[in-house]
Amino acid sequence: DTQMTQSPSSLSASVGDRVTITCRASQSISNYLHWYQHKPGKAPNLLIYAATSLQNGVPSRFSGSGSGTDFILTISSLQPEDFATYYCQQTYSPPWTFGQGTKVEIK
Amino acid sequence: QVQLQESGPGLVKPSETLSLICTVSGDSISSFYWSWIRQAPGKGLEWIGYIYYSGSTNYNPSLKSRVTISIDTSKNQFSLKLTSVTAADTAVYYCARVNDYDSLSMDVWGQGTTVTVSS
Repeated sequence: DTQMTQSPSSLSASVGDRVTITCRASQSISNYLHWYQHKPGKAPNLLIYAATSLQNGVPSRFSGSGSGTDFILTISSLQPEDFATYYCQQTYSPPWTFGQGTKVEIK
Repeated sequence: QVQLQESGPGLVKPSETLSLICTVSGDSISSFYWSWIRQAPGKGLEWIGYIYYSGSTNYNPSLKSRVTISIDTSKNQFSLKLTSVTAADTAVYYCARVNDYDSLSMDVWGQGTTVTVSS
């Protein structure tokens, strides 16, 4: 199985801050890496697919980079509605696996 | 606009079978992959498996012996069965569409349904 390791597990940030979350795969997954935002009581929401592509309707302050084993999600200017848990996921090879999540909290 | 809706019992007894249905509206189920994902209380997301509209499946090895995902194109639904459940199967269960045009991301999700395993 491909293990996905996110860091940090949680972070505190202020509105307007630049936030970066990293995701590392235990083996190369090309660009089969996706980022989701998850708020309590809601369905997860796809932000970035194929490592760098912004999903339709997602604000441009979200961006993704990386390929192979190392990936980054960046929020350029954190907004109040961005406080949530973020997950990376690989779909390069089954079983598809998620990172453990990064909880972004208000500072 | 494609929408997914999970349905099924919210309470299942230990050792029994958990059965959920995901109803797809706004588009035909006869394309794409369709997947089930769950989140246990206080835990992260866990992929359960997927089914292609043709009927081919792939399951998480951690659940493979207990899981069956099937599809009914006439009803635009796909379903999940998980046998011999225990308290560890208590979770919010989500269904999702897998977009196979580009790198298999899950681009549409249902709202989720809570299933509790308890006697």
